[in-house]
Amino acid sequence: GAGVSQSPSNKVTEKGKDVELRCDPISGHTALYWYRQSLGQGLEFLIYFQGNSAPDKSGLPSDRFSAERTGGSVSTLTIQRTQQEDSAVYLCASSFWGSYEQYFGPGTRLTVT
Amino acid sequence: GDSVTQMEGPVTLSEEAFLTINCTYTATGYPSLFWYVQYPGEGLQLLLKATKADDKGSNKGFEATYRKETTSFHLEKGSVQVSDSAVYFCALTTANTGNQFYFGTGTSLTVIP
Repeated sequence: GAGVSQSPSNKVTEKGKDVELRCDPISGHTALYWYRQSLGQGLEFLIYFQGNSAPDKSGLPSDRFSAERTGGSVSTLTIQRTQQEDSAVYLCASSFWGSYEQYFGPGTRLTVT
Repeated sequence: GDSVTQMEGPVTLSEEAFLTINCTYTATGYPSLFWYVQYPGEGLQLLLKATKADDKGSNKGFEATYRKETTSFHLEKGSVQVSDSAVYFCALTTANTGNQFYFGTGTSLTVIP
């Protein structure tokens, strides 16, 4: 079956612009995670959605970052007024509720110039 | 807070050599521990897991034992192959963190024929 997909695969944007990153989780997965992977760093947790519960936003680095999940499926991560330090690979993962196994998408590589 | 520390790479080994990648953790609760692998050009995927002390996770010839006394979860393989070349991530989650995962920085492994 189809895995987690993310789009775009690459995004180059100018400093100060807004960007939207999309994640399509595996059908039936109720949990969805966003992570950021910067050069030389591990995966940094950003936000977690579980079903219809309020999302865990504790990892968002600033109020320029926001995410939503529509209809319990597709999620969009929005970064407003991008800065150069936002350059990273943004990874999305999904899982069944209560499962430890997360399925990761290929990521979106964001470059802010 | 919860965290994972893994040995820095890159690691280069000859085929059939023995592999150890060290991972230690700090957790306020009782964590479950994981190794994820990212093959070139692919997304992260779960390699193995252990959910309680003294459990041994194993998959594809890789093993890791959950050692509570040393707060460690070292990854081992007796005889590596070229196809094992990838980046390996140690990770943990606890009930305290509400399914939030903490990942290490990743260790790049290259196996040469």
